[in-house]
Amino acid sequence: AQSVAQPEDQVNVAEGNPLTVKCTYSVSGNPYLFWYVQYPNRGLQFLLKYITGDNLVKGSYGFEAEFNKSQTSFHLKKPSALVSDSALYFCAVRDIRGTYKYIFGTGTRLKVLA
Amino acid sequence: DTEVTQTPKHLVMGMTNKKSLKCEQHMGHRAMYWYKQKAKKPPELMFVYSYEKLSINESVPSRFSPECPNSSLLNLHLHALQPEDSALYLCASSQSGTSNSPLHFGNGTRLTVT
Repeated sequence: AQSVAQPEDQVNVAEGNPLTVKCTYSVSGNPYLFWYVQYPNRGLQFLLKYITGDNLVKGSYGFEAEFNKSQTSFHLKKPSALVSDSALYFCAVRDIRGTYKYIFGTGTRLKVLA
Repeated sequence: DTEVTQTPKHLVMGMTNKKSLKCEQHMGHRAMYWYKQKAKKPPELMFVYSYEKLSINESVPSRFSPECPNSSLLNLHLHALQPEDSALYLCASSQSGTSNSPLHFGNGTRLTVT
């Protein structure tokens, strides 16, 4: 069965420091991986995706993610955190069996401290 | 601003009421989704429409009834709900269920069942 795991419920980082939000996956075949962010009382917003190609994927708002096949990870990163980055982050994997299902991780709350 | 519009933003209904949630997108997407999200949890898939036909029903109770009148609109009809149905209901769309396109979410309807 395909799955994603976000091992940290919450990540705290000081403003200006680099941030990492972790995601590991378990899929059969090549994974289609996504990161979404959710601000309070809003829907999820797409940040970036990995389908194939370069292992470093750049996305919106200065975020990037590194795909590591050997470690089955897809960690979200940003070189310098902003207070406004504080939100709930979800990693997701697309079911490649041809269905419409996106399997979401449990979410990681990022708190950037001023 | 989100390109998927959901109305109403908030809804309070009694257990005997009938109400409808509405979702609209004009991105030409042919897959549309309903998700239910409890606080600080990942979204849970309820229904998927592909080319205006119901593709997935995740064993959702019959008190939830989806409808896709055309390629831009998606409704969720509610009847005889229970207090545990209180949640954020998110609509999403994607280019196609068979592509690797990301989900585009609306901001949701916050439903409270009294």
